[in-house]
Parts: sequence; structure tokens; C-alpha cells
Amino acid sequence: DTGVSQNPRHKITKRGQNVTFRCDPISEHNRLYWYRQTLGQGPEFLTYFQNEAQLEKSRLLSDRFSAERPKGSFSTLEIQRTEQGDSAMYLCASSYQGYAEAFFGQGTRLTVV
Amino acid sequence: ELKVEQNPLFLSMQEGKNYTIYCNYSTTSDRLYWYRQDPGKSLESLFVLLSNGAVKQEGRLMASLDTKARLSTLHITAAVHDLSATYFCAVDSDSNYQLIWGAGTKLIIKP
Repeated sequence: DTGVSQNPRHKITKRGQNVTFRCDPISEHNRLYWYRQTLGQGPEFLTYFQNEAQLEKSRLLSDRFSAERPKGSFSTLEIQRTEQGDSAMYLCASSYQGYAEAFFGQGTRLTVV
Repeated sequence: ELKVEQNPLFLSMQEGKNYTIYCNYSTTSDRLYWYRQDPGKSLESLFVLLSNGAVKQEGRLMASLDTKARLSTLHITAAVHDLSATYFCAVDSDSNYQLIWGAGTKLIIKP
């Protein structure tokens, strides 16, 4: 297993467009997390899946953001009607059990112009 | 609301010196994680601390957890240039293992 995989690595989009990112976690991991990170800051929690169930979503998360993990394997994060403030690094992580450390992917850097 | 504070936020030091990064958090938690991030790269897990008094060491890095003081430290011994990176601590909230992150400590080690 090569670890958590995210694509695309970079995405430039015009304001108002929709974008979708994909995350493939480590295969035996049942927990999957999405975080957002802006320059000079720590990651900010967005949402969390246990298998295919989305168990938690940040109350700070706009309704423009939606995430799915349809078969409990890969996950997608969609941002509708992107805004310049959405520009950030979007990180996906997975873990096997609750207290184990999460392993992060390389991230998708989104730039909204 | 759980808050995590790291200090210092920036540290420049010479090779061979020792230093400590501090991570304070605001509510009770027994689970604390340290990560490393190189510029433009993702986050690499360094240590998982799961109980009061936990101490873990890997090479020149040693992490400890005092849950009563709500404090974790990351100690660097005889720093080398390769340790230059940004170091984050993260604490489990009580809600489904959501991690709350510090702002990070950017460490620059000069040869």
C-alpha cells in the first residue's frame, strides 16, 4: 500500500465553478477525515467518515461543501460555487481505529481566481 | 471549546543546540499527537501520546504528555539541519476523534 492518495494535486478554478477532489485512503482504514489548511495555520477539521457513514461535519462548514464515501473506500469532497476564500490546501487522512494516528495524503491545493 | 496553543511559533537555532516546543490545550484530553510538515508537503506522524506521563523518543526528538497540566512538550536534542520543518501538535476533542490543531512551530536549524 502506498499510503493515502489524493488527486488532483493542484486545481485552479474560476470563482463560481464547482470542484471535486478525490481521496483514496489506506485500504484497511475505516476512518477517513477531510481537513483544510491555509498558509501558516494548522489543519482545520471539515468532516469525518466511519466506513461509509459521515459521522461528523464541522459547524463552520458552508452548505457549499459536501463529502461522500459511497462504499466505505474512496471519498470525494465537492465545493460548489467556489469563492476566493476557499483557496487552501485540502488534506485527506485515514486511520484504522480511533486512537491511532491519522495518515495524511499529499493534499490538493485549490486556487480560486 | 477546545483550544490548542503552541509556542514558540517560530524558532531559529544552531545545530547542536537543545530546545523545547510547548503545546498547551484548554480542556481535558488524554490523546495528543505530534506531526511534522515540510514546506509544500503533507503531514507526517511523529508521536502518539495516549496517557498521562507518556514519553516517547525517536532519534533526537522526545515527546511527553502531562494531562493534569494540559501540556505536551517536544524536546529536540543536539539539533541537526534535517530537523528543520514545521511541527504541529493536535489534541483529540471528545467528539468522534476530531483533532484540534495548534498553529504550528516553524523550526529552522542553521548549520
